[in-house]
Amino acid sequence: SQQGEEDPQALSIQEGENATMNCSYKTSINNLQWYRQNSGRGLVHLILIRSNEREKHSGRLRVTLDTSKKSSSLLITASRAADTASYFCATYTGGGNKLTFGTGTQLKVEL
Amino acid sequence: ETGVTQTPRHLVMGMTNKKSLKCEQHLGHNAMYWYKQSAKKPLELMFVYSLEERVENNSVPSRFSPECPNSSHLFLHLHTLQPEDSALYLCASSRQRPGTTGVDEQFFGPGTRLTVL
Repeated sequence: SQQGEEDPQALSIQEGENATMNCSYKTSINNLQWYRQNSGRGLVHLILIRSNEREKHSGRLRVTLDTSKKSSSLLITASRAADTASYFCATYTGGGNKLTFGTGTQLKVEL
Repeated sequence: ETGVTQTPRHLVMGMTNKKSLKCEQHLGHNAMYWYKQSAKKPLELMFVYSLEERVENNSVPSRFSPECPNSSHLFLHLHTLQPEDSALYLCASSRQRPGTTGVDEQFFGPGTRLTVL
């Protein structure tokens, strides 16, 4: 079974609104990362949060991690049309070099 | 630009062809990865090279053969592929601290869109 699952699968909002995406995982993690992918392109790393951290900020991004619930959320504030992309969470469980990705949330920000 | 380049960007090949995908990173990283991305599926890790040694091979069919001649270059040699191998193939790199395991942020190339006829 896959480690990370994003929710919702798709999200459509108006420019200026906030967008929240959630990620749930099944086993204990060392760190959790969020990536963005524009259509047909490579992934871009957004933010990494370690298992002993609860919240991190980067510009308009805010990530929270709740290890007791095995879940994370990504909040994009004051969204822009340029934020339209797919967003993936990826978990690292420790040992080896493997990141496990979820299926992603497709975000569409409309003008 | 992420500092990771991939060529070609698009590739169409028949099932009997042999082709290679190339990845180059200009970031001074020492770990490199091949991923396969198919529609509606999570990103699948195929191979990992750390300090030029293959450290992960995720049960990938032998028709995919990786090569890492140095820490900056990674190849994926393809032969006798199947139509279900059509996908976006992504290369990534990261900084691996020698003597440690652990995965921090990865930097991805733009991918090669592969179509197998």
